[in-house]
Amino acid sequence: SQQGEEDPQALSIQEGENATMNCSYKTSINNLQWYRQNSGRGLVHLILIRSNEREKHSGRLRVTLDTSKKSSSLLITASRAADTASYFCATEGGSYIPTFGRGTSLIVHP
Amino acid sequence: DGGITQSPKYLFRKEGQNVTLSCEQNLNHDAMYWYRQDPGQGLRLIYYSQIVNDFQKGDIAEGYSVSREKKESFPLTVTSAQKNPTAFYLCAGSPTAATNEKLFFGSGTQLSVL
Repeated sequence: SQQGEEDPQALSIQEGENATMNCSYKTSINNLQWYRQNSGRGLVHLILIRSNEREKHSGRLRVTLDTSKKSSSLLITASRAADTASYFCATEGGSYIPTFGRGTSLIVHP
Repeated sequence: DGGITQSPKYLFRKEGQNVTLSCEQNLNHDAMYWYRQDPGQGLRLIYYSQIVNDFQKGDIAEGYSVSREKKESFPLTVTSAQKNPTAFYLCAGSPTAATNEKLFFGSGTQLSVL
């Protein structure tokens, strides 16, 4: 089954800086989703971008999708200590069930 | 307080024992899912159900079983055949079994072997 792969695996920044995470995938998709997971908790849906969209915004989040390069990026602007979490991309292709990558662990230092 | 409720938060299994993880939802979701999460790995799909009384194997179904007798409930049994059960288990739901739906997750159950 296809799987998104996030890059980098770990990211450490200072509060106020921007955080960028990337996701690459292998085959064509219907949509790509980003989720957030705080340590020891379930995942929370952040944003869904469809294959015919190139960019979406939600608050401090900006997601881009480049289907020609089979990649997506998640940008968190003006990061806060509370943004510390793992971030996962999930791709939905032939079936309706999202397939998750291994995640990027983000640490934001106050 | 609504959503996807998993219990217990922590569970310990002895050798040769079957254990059942509970997942209940009050969101009226048709579709429900079980994922396994290991450190450093992504979520892997164990089983999913599109509708009551129906379920399908995911990528790593061996050693697990499920039932979907009620819309609200999708319990996962980890059988003695699962030789490496230690992991974080996540239950999720979506309104329908269709494309472009987002998943709603429970808070997870950490299963460990004694």
